[in-house]
Amino acid sequence: DSGVTQTPKHLITATGQRVTLRCSPRSGDLSVYWYQQSLDQGLQFLIQYYNGEERAKGNILERFSAQQFPDLHSELNLSSLELGDSALYFCASSGGDWPQPQHFGDGTRLSIL
Amino acid sequence: AQTVTQSQPEMSVQEAETVTLSCTYDTSESNYYLFWYKQPPSRQMILVIRQEAYKQQNATENRFSVNFQKAAKSFSLKISDSQLGDTAMYFCAFMIGSNYQLIWGAGTKLIIKP
Repeated sequence: DSGVTQTPKHLITATGQRVTLRCSPRSGDLSVYWYQQSLDQGLQFLIQYYNGEERAKGNILERFSAQQFPDLHSELNLSSLELGDSALYFCASSGGDWPQPQHFGDGTRLSIL
Repeated sequence: AQTVTQSQPEMSVQEAETVTLSCTYDTSESNYYLFWYKQPPSRQMILVIRQEAYKQQNATENRFSVNFQKAAKSFSLKISDSQLGDTAMYFCAFMIGSNYQLIWGAGTKLIIKP
């Protein structure tokens, strides 16, 4: 158990809809990272938050947004969903900042019908 | 641009054998960290081992060790006495100090046969 909690585990929805994925980091971790893993592919970095502020941005679509709340949990919002958004979305957290290793949650599997 | 290349899409070995997974990377940075992550069929992402670029000594974690060749930008993972539970996708990744992204390779699917 990594200590990172992601909910829900599975999400099935339709094109055009909006969903919110939630992540609770390990106790004491200030950084939260979001990744997208499409079928049988590597991970794509989406965005990082550190203590409530956006720290780094990767290949995140404009239809996607995220935030980190004062209690350090984070939410990833995906809107105007398309079939290609079907993927496994991981949240990871780290103890502070560089160079701490990232510990991953179990992921949220998003299926767009 | 920072890139990570894993040239072996799939490997298969017998239980108890030793296997080496290859990883090369490209960066102009001098300060960075390298990681191997394991993703079993359960799809969890599990940290296997890490290596600081400034350290010459290769990292080891029980049956897992790395061969870090900084000049060649190579970071291979050796698994000794392989076990059935080692069956998984293995991803090589690195992080540089100027941002906090993990740059990932495409992964190597490792199958341990009984």
